[in-house]
Amino acid sequence: TQLLEQSPQFLSIQEGENLTVYCNSSSVFSSLQWYRQEPGEGPVLLVTVVTGGEVKKLKRLTFQFGDARKDSSLHITAAQPGDTGLYLCAGDPQTGANNLFFGTGTRLTVIP
Amino acid sequence: DAGITQSPRHKVTETGTPVTLRCHQTENHRYMYWYRQDPGHGLRLIHYSYGVKDTDKGEVSDGYSVSRSKTEDFLLTLESATSSQTSVYFCAIRDGQGTDTQYFGPGTRLTVL
Repeated sequence: TQLLEQSPQFLSIQEGENLTVYCNSSSVFSSLQWYRQEPGEGPVLLVTVVTGGEVKKLKRLTFQFGDARKDSSLHITAAQPGDTGLYLCAGDPQTGANNLFFGTGTRLTVIP
Repeated sequence: DAGITQSPRHKVTETGTPVTLRCHQTENHRYMYWYRQDPGHGLRLIHYSYGVKDTDKGEVSDGYSVSRSKTEDFLLTLESATSSQTSVYFCAIRDGQGTDTQYFGPGTRLTVL
């Protein structure tokens, strides 16, 4: 099993604050994805990072893939209530298994 | 939004009864997946399919079976439901054409009493 641990598990912050969510593993992944899930819906892909050390920005969200391709982080600047949701990282192992291994998730609440 | 539907969206059943969940796609994607989502565990893969009649087990396949007789439909069957199978079940699809993006359905909330 390719274990992906996310931290923190829960995060409650005030609107306008910054935050970082971490996704760590002892396994190497060929790519890593971040999803956001709202209550009653399926996860929706935010970004895919492929290259070790890669940084991608999506408006106020910055995603980084670790140099060794074992970890990733998601940084949100000036959080807004619309950012509230469950954030999931998912790694594609190098085994060619055609599936993803998901982290346990970080539930973010942004208080107006 | 990717064309994925799941049915039923909600189901309550009793221990020992058979249950079948359906995932239907209109995207003609090759790969289809069944996950379950439980608090503290994230999403865990049950079974997946890489083509018609081609399926394989995932991380938590015990107690589940699947079938894919045509590209657009992927069925998940609980032969004899147990309370431990109470969960939210998600179907996902992937085209396999150079992208790892999985598109998820809206989920089925199953309660086994």
